[in-house]
Amino acid sequence: EAQVTQNPRYLITVTGKKLTVTCSQNMNHEYMSWYRQDPGLGLRQIYYSMNVEVTDKGDVPEGYKVSRKEKRNFPLILESPSPNQTSLYFCASWTSMSYEQYFGPGTRLTVT
Amino acid sequence: SQKIEQNSEALNIQEGKTATLTCNYTNYSPAYLQWYRQDPGRGPVFLLLIRENEKEKRKERLKVTFDTTLKQSLFHITASQPADSATYLCAGHSSASKIIFGSGTRLSIRP
Repeated sequence: EAQVTQNPRYLITVTGKKLTVTCSQNMNHEYMSWYRQDPGLGLRQIYYSMNVEVTDKGDVPEGYKVSRKEKRNFPLILESPSPNQTSLYFCASWTSMSYEQYFGPGTRLTVT
Repeated sequence: SQKIEQNSEALNIQEGKTATLTCNYTNYSPAYLQWYRQDPGRGPVFLLLIRENEKEKRKERLKVTFDTTLKQSLFHITASQPADSATYLCAGHSSASKIIFGSGTRLSIRP
């Protein structure tokens, strides 16, 4: 089954404690992206990747890091989380053949 | 800055009627516009994509238009059903990888 998986689904953490949210896709898609979704603001792109070792900033990259060492994985790293990073995070992947994005189930992050 | 705006935060219509949702873009010219459906607590699900050189696209009860003069896309659901109740998101590609989403329209279909 074609899918994008994210882990963990829920995470409560404290300010400053480094965390990683994993994202994996099984469709051999070249493009992957991370979004955050906040009430009234919709989905905002954090980082995206066009292929292995190729990443670029989206609209809200501050406080986040990503890496793309393998085609299937695109982890999101928060080196020093702050309360304003409390949000719902989605990972997505797609191919240039269709541009149809497949989204993961989301990770709800709370930073206290 | 580049923006996608979905003017209606919420839309309530009677079952069987046609729902029409609006998406406007400003300060850029997206090569593609996409529409997604999102149910509470779930990730968005792709519905339709339309290219800038296409006027209209259809899929079953769904229709989307792209008007580059008005800088607008309209999304229609005909013969609406309560199961169509969800939030609908519009997204514009400024490149293959840079994507801007609107804040969504919450559609409610009453029986």
